Amino acid sequence: QQQVKQSPQSLIVQKGGISIINCAYENTAFDYFPWYQQFPGKGPALLIAIRPDVSEKKEGRFTISFNKSAKQFSLHIMDSQPGDSATYFCAAGSPQGGKLIFGQGTELSVKP
Amino acid sequence: GAVVSQHPSWVICKSGTSVKIECRSLDFQATTMFWYRQFPKQSLMLMATSNEGSKATYEQGVEKDKFLINHASLTLSTLTVTSAHPEDSSFYICSAGDYSYEQYFGPGTRLTVT
Repeated sequence: QQQVKQSPQSLIVQKGGISIINCAYENTAFDYFPWYQQFPGKGPALLIAIRPDVSEKKEGRFTISFNKSAKQFSLHIMDSQPGDSATYFCAAGSPQGGKLIFGQGTELSVKP
Repeated sequence: GAVVSQHPSWVICKSGTSVKIECRSLDFQATTMFWYRQFPKQSLMLMATSNEGSKATYEQGVEKDKFLINHASLTLSTLTVTSAHPEDSSFYICSAGDYSYEQYFGPGTRLTVT
């Protein structure tokens, strides 16, 4: 019940295309859903996050779509660029201790 | 944005020795710090949660006597890997949180045990 399932495991997108990564959770106590970007050998960096009271949040080229009834959320990267090539992790947080449960990660490669 | 540093960025040690990793929040007071472990091509695995001045809470399966965590102040937490063995080789990442949900991650420490 604490799991966050992320798909796909890897993704190849052409430059200028849309990258879409999906996550699903079971525990309805989760109320904070961030996305992190990680480059090789570096720590994760927060990209964008959403709370369950909204269905969509957009920041620049990054959009989170959230479906509370389906317990799913996704990250859309518009106009994908080679510099976006990285591993992306979704996560879910609950009020209990502020812990984050991470998805398995998606390795994104944007081809020029 | 909030900045978290880790030191060292990489360390090589011999089997049986201990290694200390520092995590500092540079521009904010971290009420909670988290320690993660990450193997190549895998996700982040939470090891423990620490609050300033109190004992760390370890996740199931993490040996508290092997991975000693000290959260001495609102800006500093340390992870000591005691009697390190090759299987402890990994990428260790800390994060720091304030009163919100957001966690700010450090750059990570690559530990290699020979």
